[in-house]
Amino acid sequence: EPEVTQTPSHQVTQMGQEVILRCVPISNHLYFYWYRQILGQKVEFLVSFYNNEISEKSEIFDDQFSVERPDGSNFTLKIRSTKLEDSAMYFCASIGREYEQYFGPGTRLTVT
Amino acid sequence: KNQVEQSPQSLIILEGKNCTLQCNYTVSPFSNLRWYKQDTGRGPVSLTIMTFSENTKSNGRYTATLDADTKQSSLHITASQLSDSASYICVVGDNYGQNFVFGPGTRLSVLP
Repeated sequence: EPEVTQTPSHQVTQMGQEVILRCVPISNHLYFYWYRQILGQKVEFLVSFYNNEISEKSEIFDDQFSVERPDGSNFTLKIRSTKLEDSAMYFCASIGREYEQYFGPGTRLTVT
Repeated sequence: KNQVEQSPQSLIILEGKNCTLQCNYTVSPFSNLRWYKQDTGRGPVSLTIMTFSENTKSNGRYTATLDADTKQSSLHITASQLSDSASYICVVGDNYGQNFVFGPGTRLSVLP
Protein backbone atom coordinates (compact mmCIF):
# COMPACT_ATOMS: atom_id res chain seq x y z
CA GLU A 1 0.00 0.00 0.00
CA PRO A 2 1.38 3.42 -0.92
CA GLU A 3 2.36 5.67 1.96
CA VAL A 4 3.57 9.16 2.76
CA THR A 5 7.10 9.21 4.12
CA GLN A 6 8.81 11.91 6.15
CA THR A 7 12.41 12.56 7.12
CA PRO A 8 13.91 12.95 9.58
CA SER A 9 11.80 11.24 12.20
CA HIS A 10 13.32 13.47 14.89
CA GLN A 11 15.17 16.77 14.50
CA VAL A 12 16.84 18.63 17.33
CA THR A 13 17.95 22.17 16.60
CA GLN A 14 19.01 25.28 18.43
CA MET A 15 16.82 28.36 18.56
CA GLY A 16 17.44 30.62 15.59
CA GLN A 17 18.61 27.85 13.30
CA GLU A 18 16.98 26.91 10.02
CA VAL A 19 15.40 23.50 9.59
CA ILE A 20 14.03 21.72 6.56
CA LEU A 21 11.50 18.97 7.01
CA ARG A 22 11.07 16.62 4.10
CA CYS A 23 8.11 14.67 2.83
CA VAL A 24 7.51 12.32 -0.06
CA PRO A 25 3.76 12.29 -0.77
CA ILE A 26 2.03 9.43 -2.52
CA SER A 27 2.77 9.61 -6.21
CA ASN A 28 -0.11 10.88 -8.37
CA HIS A 29 -1.65 12.71 -5.42
CA LEU A 30 -2.74 16.26 -6.13
CA TYR A 31 -2.97 18.15 -2.85
CA PHE A 32 -0.28 18.39 -0.22
CA TYR A 33 -0.47 19.65 3.33
CA TRP A 34 1.65 20.44 6.33
CA TYR A 35 0.19 20.26 9.82
CA ARG A 36 1.72 20.60 13.22
CA GLN A 37 0.72 19.14 16.56
CA ILE A 38 2.16 20.53 19.76
CA LEU A 39 2.43 17.84 22.42
CA GLY A 40 -0.95 17.17 23.98
CA GLN A 41 -2.77 19.56 21.67
CA LYS A 42 -4.83 19.19 18.52
CA VAL A 43 -3.57 18.99 14.97
CA GLU A 44 -3.24 22.46 13.44
CA PHE A 45 -3.31 23.27 9.75
CA LEU A 46 -0.28 25.12 8.42
CA VAL A 47 -0.48 25.18 4.63
CA SER A 48 -1.93 23.44 1.61
CA PHE A 49 -0.24 23.19 -1.76
CA TYR A 50 -1.76 22.49 -5.15
CA ASN A 51 -0.48 22.79 -8.67
CA ASN A 52 2.94 23.92 -7.46
CA GLU A 53 1.72 26.82 -5.39
CA ILE A 54 0.28 27.55 -1.98
CA SER A 55 -3.48 27.09 -1.96
CA GLU A 56 -4.26 28.09 1.62
CA LYS A 57 -2.24 28.98 4.69
CA SER A 58 -3.09 29.57 8.32
CA GLU A 59 -2.12 32.38 10.64
CA ILE A 60 0.61 30.14 12.02
CA PHE A 61 2.30 30.02 8.61
CA ASP A 62 4.09 33.36 8.83
CA ASP A 63 7.16 34.64 7.00
CA GLN A 64 9.37 32.22 8.92
CA PHE A 65 7.79 29.31 7.08
CA SER A 66 8.05 28.32 3.44
CA VAL A 67 7.19 25.28 1.35
CA GLU A 68 8.65 23.95 -1.83
CA ARG A 69 8.18 21.09 -4.20
CA PRO A 70 11.70 21.10 -5.63
CA ASP A 71 11.13 18.06 -7.82
CA GLY A 72 8.31 15.73 -8.74
CA SER A 73 8.41 13.78 -5.51
CA ASN A 74 9.65 15.81 -2.55
CA PHE A 75 7.64 18.37 -0.59
CA THR A 76 9.54 20.40 1.99
CA LEU A 77 8.71 22.70 4.88
CA LYS A 78 11.39 25.19 5.87
CA ILE A 79 11.47 27.13 9.10
CA ARG A 80 14.00 29.93 8.71
CA SER A 81 14.71 30.88 12.30
CA THR A 82 13.28 28.40 14.76
CA LYS A 83 11.74 29.45 18.04
CA LEU A 84 11.14 27.39 21.15
CA GLU A 85 7.43 27.36 20.42
CA ASP A 86 8.06 25.66 17.07
CA SER A 87 8.73 22.44 18.96
CA ALA A 88 6.03 20.05 17.79
CA MET A 89 5.25 17.07 15.59
CA TYR A 90 5.00 18.11 11.96
CA PHE A 91 2.85 15.98 9.70
CA CYS A 92 2.78 15.95 5.95
CA ALA A 93 -0.36 14.69 4.20
CA SER A 94 -1.55 14.24 0.66
CA ILE A 95 -4.87 13.68 -1.08
CA GLY A 96 -5.56 11.95 -4.34
CA ARG A 97 -8.58 11.75 -6.58
CA GLU A 98 -10.54 9.68 -4.08
CA TYR A 99 -10.20 12.48 -1.50
CA GLU A 100 -8.69 10.11 1.05
CA GLN A 101 -6.11 12.05 3.07
CA TYR A 102 -3.00 10.10 3.97
CA PHE A 103 -0.70 11.31 6.70
CA GLY A 104 2.97 10.64 7.08
CA PRO A 105 4.47 9.36 10.32
CA GLY A 106 5.57 12.85 11.32
CA THR A 107 8.80 14.61 12.22
CA ARG A 108 9.32 15.49 15.84
CA LEU A 109 11.02 18.88 15.98
CA THR A 110 12.68 19.87 19.22
CA VAL A 111 14.02 23.42 19.50
CA THR A 112 16.41 24.02 22.38
CA LYS B 1 -15.41 30.94 13.01
CA ASN B 2 -15.11 27.36 11.79
CA GLN B 3 -14.84 25.04 14.75
CA VAL B 4 -15.07 21.36 15.59
CA GLU B 5 -15.79 20.24 19.12
CA GLN B 6 -15.60 16.71 20.48
CA SER B 7 -16.83 14.97 23.58
CA PRO B 8 -15.89 13.43 25.83
CA GLN B 9 -12.33 14.68 26.11
CA SER B 10 -11.29 11.26 27.36
CA LEU B 11 -12.96 7.92 27.91
CA ILE B 12 -12.00 4.71 29.65
CA ILE B 13 -13.82 1.48 28.84
CA LEU B 14 -13.29 -2.23 29.38
CA GLU B 15 -12.28 -4.50 26.56
CA GLY B 16 -15.28 -5.89 24.71
CA LYS B 17 -17.55 -2.96 25.55
CA ASN B 18 -19.03 -0.53 23.05
CA CYS B 19 -18.64 3.23 23.10
CA THR B 20 -19.80 6.30 21.21
CA LEU B 21 -17.81 9.46 20.60
CA GLN B 22 -19.44 12.76 19.68
CA CYS B 23 -18.53 15.58 17.32
CA ASN B 24 -20.23 18.95 16.75
CA TYR B 25 -19.11 21.37 14.08
CA THR B 26 -19.78 24.88 12.87
CA VAL B 27 -17.84 24.63 9.61
CA SER B 28 -19.33 26.34 6.60
CA PRO B 29 -19.54 25.61 3.78
CA PHE B 30 -19.54 21.94 4.68
CA SER B 31 -18.02 19.43 2.30
CA ASN B 32 -17.28 16.25 4.23
CA LEU B 33 -16.67 14.86 7.69
CA ARG B 34 -13.90 12.43 8.54
CA TRP B 35 -12.98 10.40 11.56
CA TYR B 36 -9.34 9.56 12.17
CA LYS B 37 -7.57 7.32 14.64
CA GLN B 38 -4.26 8.61 15.95
CA ASP B 39 -1.95 6.40 17.96
CA THR B 40 0.45 8.24 20.26
CA GLY B 41 3.36 9.71 18.30
CA ARG B 42 1.96 8.60 14.95
CA GLY B 43 0.13 10.27 12.11
CA PRO B 44 -3.69 10.12 11.95
CA VAL B 45 -5.20 7.25 9.98
CA SER B 46 -8.53 7.65 8.22
CA LEU B 47 -11.45 5.57 9.47
CA THR B 48 -14.44 7.01 7.60
CA ILE B 49 -15.34 9.82 5.22
CA MET B 50 -18.91 11.09 4.80
CA THR B 51 -20.36 13.75 2.55
CA PHE B 52 -23.47 15.73 3.45
CA SER B 53 -25.71 13.21 1.66
CA GLU B 54 -24.49 10.26 3.73
CA ASN B 55 -25.77 9.67 7.23
CA THR B 56 -23.87 6.53 8.13
CA LYS B 57 -20.63 4.83 7.14
CA SER B 58 -19.06 1.70 8.55
CA ASN B 59 -15.50 0.43 8.58
CA GLY B 60 -15.33 -2.87 10.41
CA ARG B 61 -16.15 -2.26 14.07
CA TYR B 62 -16.31 1.49 13.50
CA THR B 63 -19.61 3.11 12.49
CA ALA B 64 -19.89 6.83 11.93
CA THR B 65 -23.13 8.78 11.69
CA LEU B 66 -23.76 12.24 10.38
CA ASP B 67 -26.67 14.63 10.89
CA ALA B 68 -25.96 17.55 8.58
CA ASP B 69 -29.02 19.43 9.84
CA THR B 70 -27.87 19.53 13.45
CA LYS B 71 -24.19 19.47 12.46
CA GLN B 72 -23.44 16.50 14.63
CA SER B 73 -21.58 13.28 14.07
CA SER B 74 -20.83 10.25 16.18
CA LEU B 75 -18.36 7.40 16.00
CA HIS B 76 -19.51 4.12 17.49
CA ILE B 77 -16.96 1.46 18.32
CA THR B 78 -18.28 -2.05 18.78
CA ALA B 79 -16.65 -4.78 20.86
CA SER B 80 -13.64 -2.67 21.74
CA GLN B 81 -10.14 -4.13 21.68
CA LEU B 82 -7.00 -3.07 23.50
CA SER B 83 -5.62 -1.83 20.18
CA ASP B 84 -8.47 0.67 19.96
CA SER B 85 -6.69 2.75 22.61
CA ALA B 86 -5.87 5.96 20.74
CA SER B 87 -7.11 9.46 20.07
CA TYR B 88 -10.09 9.73 17.73
CA ILE B 89 -10.23 12.93 15.78
CA CYS B 90 -13.21 14.43 13.98
CA VAL B 91 -12.23 16.50 10.95
CA VAL B 92 -14.53 18.60 8.78
CA GLY B 93 -13.68 19.61 5.24
CA ASP B 94 -14.87 22.97 3.98
CA ASN B 95 -14.98 24.58 0.55
CA TYR B 96 -14.43 21.86 -1.97
CA GLY B 97 -13.11 19.45 0.62
CA GLN B 98 -9.48 20.42 0.39
CA ASN B 99 -9.33 22.46 3.60
CA PHE B 100 -9.81 20.76 6.93
CA VAL B 101 -10.73 21.82 10.44
CA PHE B 102 -9.59 19.43 13.16
CA GLY B 103 -11.32 18.70 16.41
CA PRO B 104 -9.30 18.31 19.61
CA GLY B 105 -9.85 14.55 19.69
CA THR B 106 -11.21 12.09 22.24
CA ARG B 107 -8.61 10.05 24.05
CA LEU B 108 -9.92 6.47 24.37
CA SER B 109 -8.33 3.97 26.72
CA VAL B 110 -9.44 0.35 26.53
CA LEU B 111 -8.51 -1.65 29.61
CA PRO B 112 -8.31 -5.45 29.91
